[in-house]
Amino acid sequence: KAGVTQTPRYLIKTRGQQVTLSCSPISGHRSVSWYQQTPGQGLQFLFEYFSETQRNKGNFPGRFSGRQFSNSRSEMNVSTLELGDSALYLCASSSVGLGGDTQYFGPGTRLTVL
Amino acid sequence: QKEVEQDPGPLSVPEGAIVSLNCTYSNSAFQYFMWYRQYSRKGPELLMYTYSSGNKEDGRFTAQVDKSSKYISLFIRDSQPSDSATYLCAIAYNNNDMRFGAGTRLTVKP
Repeated sequence: KAGVTQTPRYLIKTRGQQVTLSCSPISGHRSVSWYQQTPGQGLQFLFEYFSETQRNKGNFPGRFSGRQFSNSRSEMNVSTLELGDSALYLCASSSVGLGGDTQYFGPGTRLTVL
Repeated sequence: QKEVEQDPGPLSVPEGAIVSLNCTYSNSAFQYFMWYRQYSRKGPELLMYTYSSGNKEDGRFTAQVDKSSKYISLFIRDSQPSDSATYLCAIAYNNNDMRFGAGTRLTVKP
């Protein structure tokens, strides 16, 4: 079974631009969660989508948004990029998205904001 | 106070040593406890998952949860150079909103 895939793997943007990241979950998984990982803050939860609906949201500003499509693929968008948005963005999928349900992570998209 | 505290290390041990990694958490509402391993430039991969106090063993890995003390541990026996990675503890409520520790960077020297 193919794992979680994320595209692109690397991205360089400048301040003020916007960016869209894509995540394809494991086949049959309906829950997709997004995380930001930085050396200083570690892994922080952004939001979770289940069956095209945002079900949980972390403490990030409204510049961070996402959506999920009917095939469970998910996109994350960051508008008006700031230098502090430079991070590894990880998505994880799970089958039903219940607490503690095994999450499988993708390789991440490394975003650099100049 | 962070919800999950984990010593970031780094931790360096000789091959064959027993490694002990630990996390503490503050909220007794947490119900699910996980350990992830993350190699450089890779996403985290799940090592151990448990939801009850006590020990869970899988090969050379043992996860221990003490809910009364809000303390979780991961033990690695007979450590190998291939175990060199960052280990993250993760704790979840009942809503799939996981909280991660800062991660402990482990190096196992041949």
